[in-house]
Amino acid sequence: AQSVTQLDSHVSVSEGTPVLLRCNYSSSYSPSLFWYVQHPNKGLQLLLKYTSAATLVKGINGFEAEFKKSETSFHLTKPSAHMSDAAEYFCVVSLPNSGYSTLTFGKGTMLLVSP
Amino acid sequence: DTAVSQTPKYLVTQMGNDKSIKCEQNLGHDTMYWYKQDSKKFLKIMFSYNNKELIINETVPNRFSPKSPDKAHLNLHINSLELGDSAVYFCASSQAGGSQEAFFGQGTRLTVV
Repeated sequence: AQSVTQLDSHVSVSEGTPVLLRCNYSSSYSPSLFWYVQHPNKGLQLLLKYTSAATLVKGINGFEAEFKKSETSFHLTKPSAHMSDAAEYFCVVSLPNSGYSTLTFGKGTMLLVSP
Repeated sequence: DTAVSQTPKYLVTQMGNDKSIKCEQNLGHDTMYWYKQDSKKFLKIMFSYNNKELIINETVPNRFSPKSPDKAHLNLHINSLELGDSAVYFCASSQAGGSQEAFFGQGTRLTVV
């Protein structure tokens, strides 16, 4: 079984300040982990993914995430928020040993960015 | 070129009607999916097809029937629509393998009145 917990339903930051979106996972095996972003009334876009290579993963738009097995965490960070970062963010886990993608989504974190 | 496209983008219909949502991917992927996003933004997988064969069928009413005419298409047909079916439905595709990310369509917002 696999699951993800996004610890905050909403995160509010000011433009130019750091962003931290927290995610903890549970998996019977070494998982693959992803962060997706959903802007209002849009589809989901992949920000970054971890698949057992480097534990620090860099993604698009300046985002990065660090896989910490001891803490079962995969937190998403960005040094400086932009207004355009305001969106819903989903942490996602998948079992790499399966023959197909079995994405299990967290409940999402809404990032609010104020001027 | 849109990688995963689904139509229509918006669908408003009355209870009891039957409707279909179409999905096509031009990425050459082997696996396609339907996800449902509820009003609280929670995403849950409904179905998954690999090379036209059903491989995941979550607990979904049998009023929902996916159809995959070829591996580039996965359509969703819904019979006897109910108010609770109102949601955003996302089509997605991926390469085979659990470490592969999924590519999502823009979603179909279904409103049942």
